[in-house]
Amino acid sequence: DVKVTQSSRYLVKRTGEKVFLECVQDMDHENMFWYRQDPGLGLRLIYFSYDVKMKEKGDIPEGYSVSREKKERFSLILESASTNQTSMYLCASSFPGQAAFFGQGTRLTVV
Amino acid sequence: RKEVEQDPGPFNVPEGATVAFNCTYSNSASQSFFWYRQDCRKEPKLLMSVYSSGNEDGRFTAQLNRASQYISLLIRDSKLSDSATYLCVVSAGGATNKLIFGTGTLLAVQP
Repeated sequence: DVKVTQSSRYLVKRTGEKVFLECVQDMDHENMFWYRQDPGLGLRLIYFSYDVKMKEKGDIPEGYSVSREKKERFSLILESASTNQTSMYLCASSFPGQAAFFGQGTRLTVV
Repeated sequence: RKEVEQDPGPFNVPEGATVAFNCTYSNSASQSFFWYRQDCRKEPKLLMSVYSSGNEDGRFTAQLNRASQYISLLIRDSKLSDSATYLCVVSAGGATNKLIFGTGTLLAVQP
């Protein structure tokens, strides 16, 4: 079975902190994604990576950066957390054009 | 125009009803299509892939109309456990072929 693991289920951080969300997949997938999900807004793509060190901005990249130094790991970085980044963050991975598999999500609260 | 559009619902149906969801996509280069299901406060999970010839999995039938650029999901004999959000997913095409998610359609099956 495909496994996508996110480092935390719940996280509480203070405004201004630098926050790291980690995601690891065990299926050798080329593509990895970071989404945030807010009520009424659906899944919004933050960043997408199609290979090691390769990334593409999604729909809402402002305030975020990513790192993919190894194929299995894709990190999302909130440079300076703000309250409007309180959200559910979902990581996913896939082979190009094939179905994606999601991690369990990280519910981040910025206070 | 959004790349993938769905009616957000909610669709409120009685148990045993048949319900259909449609989804339109804008990129004629899209090659892969999927339906996902998301339960409240959980990650999205693959429900079924959608093939050109249409495909069925038990009570669920998926259809693709390339000419009109829409896909559909039909659920027969609705169960209470079918209550969830259904997400339409389309591949972007191109070299990276990333996945584009619709915002989802909420289904509430009533006893």
